[in-house]
Amino acid sequence: QSVLTQPPSASGTPGQRVTISCSGSSSNIGSNYVYWYQQLPGTAPKLLIYRNNQRPSGVPDRFSGSKSGTSASLAISGLRSEDEADYYCAAWDDSLSGLWVFGGGTKLTVL
Amino acid sequence: QLQLQESGPGLVKPSETLSLTCTVSGGSISSSSYYWGWIRQPPGKGLEWIGSIYYSGSTYYNPSLKSRVTISVDTSKNQFSLKLSSVTAADTAVYYCARHDNPPATVAGFDYWGQGTLVTVSS
Repeated sequence: QSVLTQPPSASGTPGQRVTISCSGSSSNIGSNYVYWYQQLPGTAPKLLIYRNNQRPSGVPDRFSGSKSGTSASLAISGLRSEDEADYYCAAWDDSLSGLWVFGGGTKLTVL
Repeated sequence: QLQLQESGPGLVKPSETLSLTCTVSGGSISSSSYYWGWIRQPPGKGLEWIGSIYYSGSTYYNPSLKSRVTISVDTSKNQFSLKLSSVTAADTAVYYCARHDNPPATVAGFDYWGQGTLVTVSS
């Protein structure tokens, strides 16, 4: 049971726009930044979005992030076959002594 | 370019201690801006943060694993290590090391990751 809640799956056709949601609480998303990671099959996760909506160098602007209250979303526009991957949200959680929490992951299928 | 590389046994017996080391190259583990963490991923499942350490030795641990986890740092070797005691089959996972900036005011997240190493717990 992950602290952050994501849909287990999402899908779209090439060129479409898809969104992946991430729901948390006041101690994590509600008070700290949200991060998104992309994990291609058989590889390590890669930072996709930081500080809610910032893209690291090299990440296409087709990827965008947003946050409102205790929820966040990742949007992928102009969907491409190479976007088929698992996507994870994460945030620092201020509860207890502090800890990183992740969502359970969303498997994106490009139809 | 910063690189992280995990190393350690790929097979550990139940009830024994899992030990892994992450070697950092292309940058100093003694940077005042970063923590160094361990994350694991059981086969077919999601990511779980285990804990993180600062070069001074200050640590954060996942409360769910804290009683069994020790993370240490060796600045002379630019390495940090994970020990997980009393392992069971549920600890079978790919273990990643990664860098993140200073909590709680993190802004960059886990920005560099190792390639991961599979550790299987089995007799």
